[in-house]
Amino acid sequence: KNQVEQSPQSLIILEGKNCTLQCNYTVSPFSNLRWYKQDTGRGPVSLTIMTFSENTKSNGRYTATLDADTKQSSLHITASQLSDSASYICVVTDYSGYSTLTFGKGTMLLVSP
Amino acid sequence: NAGVTQTPKFRVLKTGQSMTLLCAQDMNHEYMYWYRQDPGMGLRLIHYSVGEGTTAKGEVPDGYNVSRLKKQNFLLGLESAAPSQTSVYFCASSLRGARNQPQHFGDGTRLSIL
Repeated sequence: KNQVEQSPQSLIILEGKNCTLQCNYTVSPFSNLRWYKQDTGRGPVSLTIMTFSENTKSNGRYTATLDADTKQSSLHITASQLSDSASYICVVTDYSGYSTLTFGKGTMLLVSP
Repeated sequence: NAGVTQTPKFRVLKTGQSMTLLCAQDMNHEYMYWYRQDPGMGLRLIHYSVGEGTTAKGEVPDGYNVSRLKKQNFLLGLESAAPSQTSVYFCASSLRGARNQPQHFGDGTRLSIL
């Protein structure tokens, strides 16, 4: 069964600090990996999408990495801001007929002033 | 740009009542999806559509029906609501299949079944 595991479950950091969120997956065959940001009471918003051949992708202060060999991804947030407080969701797509998306449970990040 | 709009935003139902959730997108996307999000769980796919007039079952379709009569609209129906259907429901759309396209989500419908 396809699975996506995220860690930590929650994280508190001080404003201005950096942090790294982890995602491990067992999805086969692999198509792509996405990171979404979900603000409280809002829908998820796409941050990055990485295919098998990409190992790094940035979106402003967000940098995602992918190691397809170890089936791990990380999302690094630089110089955190209060507005970064949100749930970050890792999503992995398989390469089947419909392309099923498997969602992680998310990491809840709180940036404290 | 409106993107994906869901109505209503909140709703409280009694067990056994029926209702329809509406999703509308203005991006001319082919694919549309309905998910539910429950505490401690990842989003789970209920039903999806690959184009006007088509629908297909997702991971958790029981108790729900859908229709895609117009390309821009995707309706989710609960025929006889049950407390287990208390959840936050998200609609999403993508230009083509999810394989290489980002999904655009609405802001959800918070549904409570008493």
